[in-house]
Amino acid sequence: DQQVKQNSPSLSVQEGRISILNCDYTNSMFDYFLWYKKYPAEGPTFLISISSIKDKNEDGRFTVFLNKSAKHLSLHIVPSQPGDSAVYFCAATPSYRGYQKVTFGTGTKLQVIP
Amino acid sequence: DVKVTQSSRYLVKRTGEKVFLECVQDMDHENMFWYRQDPGLGLRLIYFSYDVKMKEKGDIPEGYSVSREKKERFSLILESASTNQTSMYLCATTGANTEAFFGQGTRLTVV
Repeated sequence: DQQVKQNSPSLSVQEGRISILNCDYTNSMFDYFLWYKKYPAEGPTFLISISSIKDKNEDGRFTVFLNKSAKHLSLHIVPSQPGDSAVYFCAATPSYRGYQKVTFGTGTKLQVIP
Repeated sequence: DVKVTQSSRYLVKRTGEKVFLECVQDMDHENMFWYRQDPGLGLRLIYFSYDVKMKEKGDIPEGYSVSREKKERFSLILESASTNQTSMYLCATTGANTEAFFGQGTRLTVV
């Protein structure tokens, strides 16, 4: 039972264009969402998060959008750079559990082509 | 900077062996986690610990146990390694209000 789904296992984008990574969730208790980035042979690193009281959060080239009614979030990277090539994991948690119960998605491998 | 250190980057073990994966963090965080990462399955939680000697099962605890005798150290134990436990194992830690910080991962191969 996959509560956090990333339906695109991979994505290729030209350098300078926009990358859009999508994530869907099923658990209505989730109210805090995170994106992590993972390079090969390294652990994931935190990228950006959003609380369910917002529908958008921006940090430099990275923007996360949340559509609560659709139980959908997306990560936009503009402009995409070759160094953004990595696996991106969407994650979700019910905030009453703090960070104890984070559920991760299956990941999307982004390739940015120079 | 938070540092989460896993004892080995690569391990090769034989079927039936008892395997210990160690993780140490230097930030005095309460919560520590063990995940495994497999292609197409993402990160799946094996066990986590919210305090010394406290543990809670994650989504896939079968075949694993954990130990947390000191706050900074969280060990994952494979009681009798099997080939389906070949995977990338990731340790993570969080404080009361922080996102997860991960170690570099241990690539375990069971032959």
